[in-house]
Amino acid sequence: EAQVTQNPRYLITVTGKKLTVTCSQNMNHEYMSWYRQDPGLGLRQIYYSMNVEVTDKGDVPEGYKVSRKEKRNFPLILESPSPNQTSLYFCASSSAERLDNEQFFGPGTRLTVL
Amino acid sequence: AQTVTQSQPEMSVQEAETVTLSCTYDTSESDYYLFWYKQPPSRQMILVIRQEAYKQQNATENRFSVNFQKAAKSFSLKISDSQLGDAAMYFCASRPGGYQKVTFGTGTKLQVIP
Repeated sequence: EAQVTQNPRYLITVTGKKLTVTCSQNMNHEYMSWYRQDPGLGLRQIYYSMNVEVTDKGDVPEGYKVSRKEKRNFPLILESPSPNQTSLYFCASSSAERLDNEQFFGPGTRLTVL
Repeated sequence: AQTVTQSQPEMSVQEAETVTLSCTYDTSESDYYLFWYKQPPSRQMILVIRQEAYKQQNATENRFSVNFQKAAKSFSLKISDSQLGDAAMYFCASRPGGYQKVTFGTGTKLQVIP
């Protein structure tokens, strides 16, 4: 089954404790992105990647890091999480072969930083 | 820079009736794509419909259609014969052609009344 998976689905952590949210897709997509969703703000893009070793900042990159060492994986790293990073996070992927680059979303990760 | 504005935080519609959700956008790109996504209570992001800016014909997908007014930078979503399963948050999004920087609106919560 073609899908984007994220782990963990739920995470409660404390300020300053480094964490990684994993994202993996099995569709051989070139493009991958991370978003955060907050009430009243919609989805905002954190980082995106056009291919392996190619990443760029979205609209809200502060406090986040990403890496793209393999085509299928695009982990989101919070080196020192803070309460304002409490949010719902989505990973998405899309194919370079499609002009419209339809995005396929993961199920979301609910992160709470205390 | 792109902006996407959804001015209706909440809307309601009677089952079997028609409802229109508004979206306006701004972009300096001549080539871009517009999307409507549905997010039910499960939080999964589901693509409803897409529109290529270079196509004058309005996109349709079964009961869903758009009214794309390029000069006015308007991209509204019409849902005909509304069903209970249409109740969800709807997000409008814009992406320039050839890039992966996606901008979402703040969303419209649609309630369907039986």
